[in-house]
Amino acid sequence: EKVVTQSPATLSVSPGERATLSCRVSQGVSNNLAWYQQKPGQAPRLLIYGASTRATGIPARFSGSGSGTEFSLTISSLQSEDFAVYYCQQYANWPLWTFGQGTKVEIK
Amino acid sequence: QVQLQESGPGLVKPSQTLSLTCTVSGGSVNSGPFYWSWIRQHPGKGLEWIGHISYSGSTFYNWPLRGRVAISIDTSKNHFSLELSSVTAADTAVYYCATNAYGFFDRWGQGTLVTVSS
Repeated sequence: EKVVTQSPATLSVSPGERATLSCRVSQGVSNNLAWYQQKPGQAPRLLIYGASTRATGIPARFSGSGSGTEFSLTISSLQSEDFAVYYCQQYANWPLWTFGQGTKVEIK
Repeated sequence: QVQLQESGPGLVKPSQTLSLTCTVSGGSVNSGPFYWSWIRQHPGKGLEWIGHISYSGSTFYNWPLRGRVAISIDTSKNHFSLELSSVTAADTAVYYCATNAYGFFDRWGQGTLVTVSS
């Protein structure tokens, strides 16, 4: 099983600042990695797939990068609606897809 | 576009079977390339993929739950279902249905909380 580890667990950021979240996979997954955003009481929403492709309707301030085992999600200028929990998920190991434990982005 | 809605009992007794249905609108459960998936989230925790059924009816389940889980599809009602047997308090979670065509989950239901308690 490919283990997915996210860091940090919590990220405190001021509105308008840049946030960078990390995701590490125990074995290489090429670019088969997705990012999701989850707000309280809501289902997760797909943000990024293929490590760097934004899903439909996702603002350009969200960007993904990385390949192999190291990935990152950057939010260039945090808006109030971006404070949420973010999960990454590898999908190279079909169909044993696995998620990271999440990074909470909170207001500093 | 495809929309998903979970339904089922919110309370299940220990040792009984949890049964949930995901109704699909805006698309057909027997059309490719989707895998119709179930995912759960324990209170305050991360996401756990439970398993899926393909549009052709083939299933695959996550290892920890094999032997207790079954996912089925009903094309006449355009829905797919989850059954999880011999539940314990550890199965208390929000259960989501979702679509997965290329490995990532692009559409999600709103989720339904299932509590296991006597």
